[in-house]
Amino acid sequence: RKEVEQDPGPFNVPEGATVAFNCTYSNSASQSFFWYRQDCRKEPKLLMSVYSSGNEDGRFTAQLNRASQYISLLIRDSKLSDSATYLCVVHYNTNAGKSTFGDGTTLTVKP
Amino acid sequence: GAVVSQHPSRVICKSGTSVKIECRSLDFQATTMFWYRQFPKQSLMLMATSNEGSKATYEQGVEKDKFLINHASLTLSTLTVTSAHPEDSSFYICSAKFPGPENEQFFGPGTRLTVL
Repeated sequence: RKEVEQDPGPFNVPEGATVAFNCTYSNSASQSFFWYRQDCRKEPKLLMSVYSSGNEDGRFTAQLNRASQYISLLIRDSKLSDSATYLCVVHYNTNAGKSTFGDGTTLTVKP
Repeated sequence: GAVVSQHPSRVICKSGTSVKIECRSLDFQATTMFWYRQFPKQSLMLMATSNEGSKATYEQGVEKDKFLINHASLTLSTLTVTSAHPEDSSFYICSAKFPGPENEQFFGPGTRLTVL
């Protein structure tokens, strides 16, 4: 079983739709959580950190459920520019400073 | 803030040559940097963790003699692909860990290596 698992998708949604991605992690000692987005042939870019209380940044809402060991990303009012691969990232301090990346969920927003 | 540069952005070289890629954190000091490789339509694969002033830690299956990493300063790590072969053609991306308890990584723009 992978340490971080994501539904690879692809998710194909119309503009304006709400879409949610989930990510599960296996290490209960995980301490930091992030969502990154990666556009085709580009580097990953930090979208948002995920906090225990949940956090929101405009149309994006991230939530963490430590008991069930999953994090989620909700995108409201999808835009064409939201089309990308979304990477779930988990970090725990004993892992030699490394973070563990999920394989990514691909989103395509269509007009 | 939190800008990471990577140079060159694209390299085309002949088989057998060595290629050096630089990764710089421009506005913060990074004691830890990471090197990844990504093949088309595949996931990021961590190659090694680069710590300033010490030897890099390589992931299983990554040849340390082929992929030489040097982290000589708090803002620069280099990856040298020695005696490159066509199967080394890939997208190489570095990241730098931002100082502080959050453990965010910021990525360079990547280097696309093509070995003929």
